[in-house]
Amino acid sequence: LAKTTQPISMDSYEGQEVNITCSHNNIATNDYITWYQQFPSQGPRFIIQGYKTKVTNEVASLFIPADRKSSTLSLPRVSLSDTAVYYCLVDPGSSNTGKLIFGQGTTLQVKP
Amino acid sequence: EAQVTQNPRYLITVTGKKLTVTCSQNMNHEYMSWYRQDPGLGLRQIYYSMNVEVTDKGDVPEGYKVSRKEKRNFPLILESPSPNQTSLYFCASSYRDQSDTQYFGPGTRLTVL
Repeated sequence: LAKTTQPISMDSYEGQEVNITCSHNNIATNDYITWYQQFPSQGPRFIIQGYKTKVTNEVASLFIPADRKSSTLSLPRVSLSDTAVYYCLVDPGSSNTGKLIFGQGTTLQVKP
Repeated sequence: EAQVTQNPRYLITVTGKKLTVTCSQNMNHEYMSWYRQDPGLGLRQIYYSMNVEVTDKGDVPEGYKVSRKEKRNFPLILESPSPNQTSLYFCASSYRDQSDTQYFGPGTRLTVL
């Protein structure tokens, strides 16, 4: 499974755009990049997934450069309620292993 | 409502007293898994199951057992709990395997004295 590296923590203020970058240097051809969000004392929930270029939904955008060795989760105009832990995962589109690695994630603190 | 449920939500027990944390999903998902979450260590996978009667170890399986006799249920068993198993536990399920969107339960906070 491809290993990911992301910052342990980030601070921001309400109304700002937040970009969280994840490194995955050994990403494989079949791997997708998936981001989850976890609020305190709750289970993680899916935010966005992509394979290349840019993906956007109602919550976030995901930017993936051509070499796919990193990706950036972009949260537009964050609010206090976006304070959470954000996990970057790289998992194969098809795999027989079944394992899934979440890691420590990035703790985003949004201040007023 | 499509959901993953866990019981109990909170549990305080003593060392060595066997316990089971239940997990059930109503989405007819094939893949289910258990995680523990500890400060500074993030989410770590304990066991996963690709389908009925098929289970396998995750990254931290020591001290835990699971079973998958039915598609909807995936209980986590601690035969002889120890204080280092004090943690927040999450169950998750997905349609087919680990590459699909994972749906998590509300969590079970376990304290072993």
